[in-house]
Amino acid sequence: DVKVTQSSRYLVKRTGEKVFLECVQDMDHENMFWYRQDPGLGLRLIYFSYDVKMKEKGDIPEGYSVSREKKERFSLILESASTNQTSMYLCASSPGLVARELFFGEGSRLTVL
Amino acid sequence: GENVEQHPSTLSVQEGDSAVIKCTYSDSASNYFPWYKQELGKRPQLIIDIRSNVGEKKDQRIAVTLNKTAKHFSLHITETQPEDSAVYFCACKSPWRKGGNLIFGKGTKLSVKP
Repeated sequence: DVKVTQSSRYLVKRTGEKVFLECVQDMDHENMFWYRQDPGLGLRLIYFSYDVKMKEKGDIPEGYSVSREKKERFSLILESASTNQTSMYLCASSPGLVARELFFGEGSRLTVL
Repeated sequence: GENVEQHPSTLSVQEGDSAVIKCTYSDSASNYFPWYKQELGKRPQLIIDIRSNVGEKKDQRIAVTLNKTAKHFSLHITETQPEDSAVYFCACKSPWRKGGNLIFGKGTKLSVKP
């Protein structure tokens, strides 16, 4: 069964803290994505990666960075968390170069105080 | 820039009625159009998708239609049931977007009343 696992379901952090959100997939997918989900705004792409050590900016990369040292793991980093980064973060993966189904994780709800 | 408009933002229907959600896209080169369903507190999951060389696709009670000329596509759910209540997202992909990443609509919250 396909599985995308996000390490933390709920996090509470303070303004200025460094935050790591981890995502692991067990499907040997080439592509991995980080989306942010806010009510009324849908799913917005932060960063994605199509290969190990490769990363591309999505539509809203400001304030975020990513790391992909291994094929199965894609990390989202908030260097200095701010209150406007309070949101639900969804990781996803997909195989190959042709557009195919995205497999999402359960999401990580981050609250920045 | 590239975007996807989705309407309506909320939709309430009586059980057994049909529901239709519409999306329009801006990039005429878009060639892949999936629909995702997200139940409350759960992850989004693909329910149906269509590629640009096809005009319509059906899977039991759900269907998707694509009008490339008008640049819009629609999700149709017939004989709705309470378990169809969820947020539905349309999405599209342009060939020049790397890695298969999608642009999503803002979502439609569908409520099916028993």
